[in-house]
Amino acid sequence: SAVISQKPSRDICQRGTSLTIQCQVDSQVTMMFWYRQQPGQSLTLIATANQGSEATYESGFVIDKFPISRPNLTFSTLTVSNMSPEDSSIYLCSGQGAVGETQYFGPGTRLLVL
Amino acid sequence: DAKTTQPNSMESNEEEPVHLPCNHSTISGTDYIHWYRQLPSQGPEYVIHGLTSNVNNRMASLAIAEDRKSSTLILHRATLRDAAVYYCILSDYNTDKLIFGTGTRLQVFP
Repeated sequence: SAVISQKPSRDICQRGTSLTIQCQVDSQVTMMFWYRQQPGQSLTLIATANQGSEATYESGFVIDKFPISRPNLTFSTLTVSNMSPEDSSIYLCSGQGAVGETQYFGPGTRLLVL
Repeated sequence: DAKTTQPNSMESNEEEPVHLPCNHSTISGTDYIHWYRQLPSQGPEYVIHGLTSNVNNRMASLAIAEDRKSSTLILHRATLRDAAVYYCILSDYNTDKLIFGTGTRLQVFP
């Protein structure tokens, strides 16, 4: 199994600013993913974070709004850029050891944009 | 991406078995059936997964219909700690992406 931590756990931000969320895994993982969970809703996949190359974004999500980095096999960041109140959500990362294995999720970052 | 359909909510009494249904009529041959659950204020937690055969682990059992168009997650004896939202998810073996549906909110009463 993998243990995943996220920083910050929560934040309150002003509209127009940007926030970078960090995701750290306690072991090397092949795949890392970023999700958004809006209040009272299910999880929506934002993108697959690829090590050493650009992330693969799902429909409705773009790199300019959600730039992602993945410098190595245990770490990734998601930036929420030029925030608006509609970006208020929980952002979660997950890691997967190898193809076909279980995904492990972080506890999430709770973001409120005023 | 193939879709799943689950009841919005279910209720159970403590120490009783719980059967959580999931329909996935558009499942493809390479789709695995995953179940995750999300406890309040936590990230999702893996429960069980399978392809064609029924599966058992320490947390639950997964019963998969012969045509694979539906499956049932079985909690053999519900506890208060099992109260959570349970997600049935189809994952393509080639991409490993998990596309979450709306899930079933399970309430467990003492």
